[in-house]
Amino acid sequence: GNSVTQMEGPVTLSEEAFLTINCTYTATGYPSLFWYVQYPGEGLQLLLKATKADDKGSNKGFEATYRKETTSFHLEKGSVQVSDSAVYFCALSLSSNTGKLIFGQGTTLQVKP
Amino acid sequence: DTAVSQTPKYLVTQMGNDKSIKCEQNLGHDTMYWYKQDSKKFLKIMFSYNNKELIINETVPNRFSPKSPDKAHLNLHINSLELGDSAVYFCASGSLDSKNIQYFGAGTRLSVL
Repeated sequence: GNSVTQMEGPVTLSEEAFLTINCTYTATGYPSLFWYVQYPGEGLQLLLKATKADDKGSNKGFEATYRKETTSFHLEKGSVQVSDSAVYFCALSLSSNTGKLIFGQGTTLQVKP
Repeated sequence: DTAVSQTPKYLVTQMGNDKSIKCEQNLGHDTMYWYKQDSKKFLKIMFSYNNKELIINETVPNRFSPKSPDKAHLNLHINSLELGDSAVYFCASGSLDSKNIQYFGAGTRLSVL
């Protein structure tokens, strides 16, 4: 079936460190891929997306590249801030008829000053 | 103005009770969703409506019944609440022609005692 797997958290980093959160997927077709972020006490917000192989999504210093050959969509940021502390969700969508999103289990990021 | 708003934000109730959660969006989207987030932060789709028609109905107990009186509203009614229903429920909305980007509400934390 279709699924998304993310690295286990929590990930704890010092401010200005480099961030990578791994995400791999299994899909029967050609999915669109997303990263959503959930700040404490809030709903999810779209962080970035990519709709086809080799596309790079970017926003707020975060980047992720759609790698079809490794079925991956790893999230990176060169220098994290305390305000980046949140839960990050990788997701895929295969259906343009329903918009159904399949989420990974989420990765908690804690950034310390 | 809040784009996707859910009420109530917190809901504490006894086992066996019936409760409803309401959701409204002012983004003009044609599709709305209900997700359940468990204590480990795992998110799973429950239902989706497109233009008031049910388009996603995952394996959810029939004690859960969604209702969409119009495109801007999607309510969730839960009968005979059980301890395992305790979770955070998120409403989301999107347009099927916008590459499946969804906008989430802040969530309703349901605690069944």
